[in-house]
Amino acid sequence: QITLKESGPTLVKPTQTLTLTCTFSGFSLTSTGVGVGWIRQPPGKALEWLALIYWDDDKRYSPSLKSRLTITKDTSKNQVVLTMTNMDPVDTGTYYCAHRPNNYGDYFDYWGQGTLVTVSS
Amino acid sequence: IVMTQSPDSLAVSLGERATINCKSSQSLLYRSNNKDCLAWYQQKPGQPPRLLIYWASTREFGVPDRFNGSGSGTDFILTISNLQAEDAAVYYCQQYYGDETFGQGTKVEI
Repeated sequence: QITLKESGPTLVKPTQTLTLTCTFSGFSLTSTGVGVGWIRQPPGKALEWLALIYWDDDKRYSPSLKSRLTITKDTSKNQVVLTMTNMDPVDTGTYYCAHRPNNYGDYFDYWGQGTLVTVSS
Repeated sequence: IVMTQSPDSLAVSLGERATINCKSSQSLLYRSNNKDCLAWYQQKPGQPPRLLIYWASTREFGVPDRFNGSGSGTDFILTISNLQAEDAAVYYCQQYYGDETFGQGTKVEI
């Protein structure tokens, strides 16, 4: 059974760096084709893809946020970490991590419950 | 790639059919497998999205067969037949041909 869970601060100040951790179980990020992605959702708004890391450590980022994002993995801990620099109130929202299946497509079949991050001074 | 869904919301009676459209700004056809890089998700309030359809028309395991995805190239449709009360949700399309992008969502009300 695949599960993912996001953790991190619920409140960050403008200009600070956000660090979120996705802890997963039920799969290995060393298995060919597998990946973990991050997607966020401002309150009442649509989903926005942020980043994706693959089993082979290849990484992709949203072009509009690439300069602010870093995604890494620790396969020994079954964790994926996302950092976002220079946080702004518009970055407020629920941040999800999700599992990319080994099926050649970058869609997401299992999602964490999400963590709400508020950016405010 | 910009994804545009229509309508933004719709109200459908129980047992009737809901049709949601999704249009991409460029073709999503992946020539290596001749499939379209399009997924559909359902999201209920306070919950994460749930994958319904991938490769435009392949139903995810456990998804009721009243959910059907169709279309190709730039125009796609999610059809929910025999609408049930539990189908009230927001539905999103997502392309994965390029850097992943989602549509703005369509709210289905009963």
